[in-house]
Amino acid sequence: TQLLEQSPQFLSIQEGENLTVYCNSSSVFSSLQWYRQEPGEGPVLLVTVVTGGEVKKLKRLTFQFGDARKDSSLHITAAQTGDTGLYLCAGLQGGKLIFGQGTELSVKP
Amino acid sequence: EAGVAQSPRYKIIEKRQSVAFWCNPISGHATLYWYQQILGQGPKLLIQFQNNGVVDDSQLPKDRFSAERLKGVDSTLKIQPAKLEDSAVYLCASSPPGREHYEQYFGPGTRLTVT
Repeated sequence: TQLLEQSPQFLSIQEGENLTVYCNSSSVFSSLQWYRQEPGEGPVLLVTVVTGGEVKKLKRLTFQFGDARKDSSLHITAAQTGDTGLYLCAGLQGGKLIFGQGTELSVKP
Repeated sequence: EAGVAQSPRYKIIEKRQSVAFWCNPISGHATLYWYQQILGQGPKLLIQFQNNGVVDDSQLPKDRFSAERLKGVDSTLKIQPAKLEDSAVYLCASSPPGREHYEQYFGPGTRLTVT
């Protein structure tokens, strides 16, 4: 049983489209992070959200932490081919980062 | 600033053999983590060091896995004997002081294939 469920697991879209990736749990987290991982590389931290209801923007990426700190979403506006990769959410619980299984995003030109 | 270094990048071994992975964290980072990432899954924490002391090894299969960080800098993760289900990418990460968990910098990983 996955503590953090990400959906969808796979997403293939055309350049210019918008998309949203979800990260859901029945557990509460102290904070939640989003990472992007490219093939053959380690995950790279995109953002950390700490407060319930918090919204952070990073250029075309918008991250939201749920009010109850159990879920989060990542929205990408006008996707580009360079956004292709594995997107991972990770929640901090009990002093440990718990990762979701990831969403594999493919943006086609 | 140099990132987290790991070697080797790839390793293929037969089951029941032993293997070791090496990690050198970012300079000045006291906290070091080893993660296992099985294909199609997110990373799973195996062990966390603070300087040369173990903070959390609750998910480390201690009958076959061991890790050390003798001088509080670089670290080695060993598997002996390896099983087929150990095939995965082994990621090392480090955190700057005071930013543990909030900022983790990952190395490129070692892809292990056990045949």
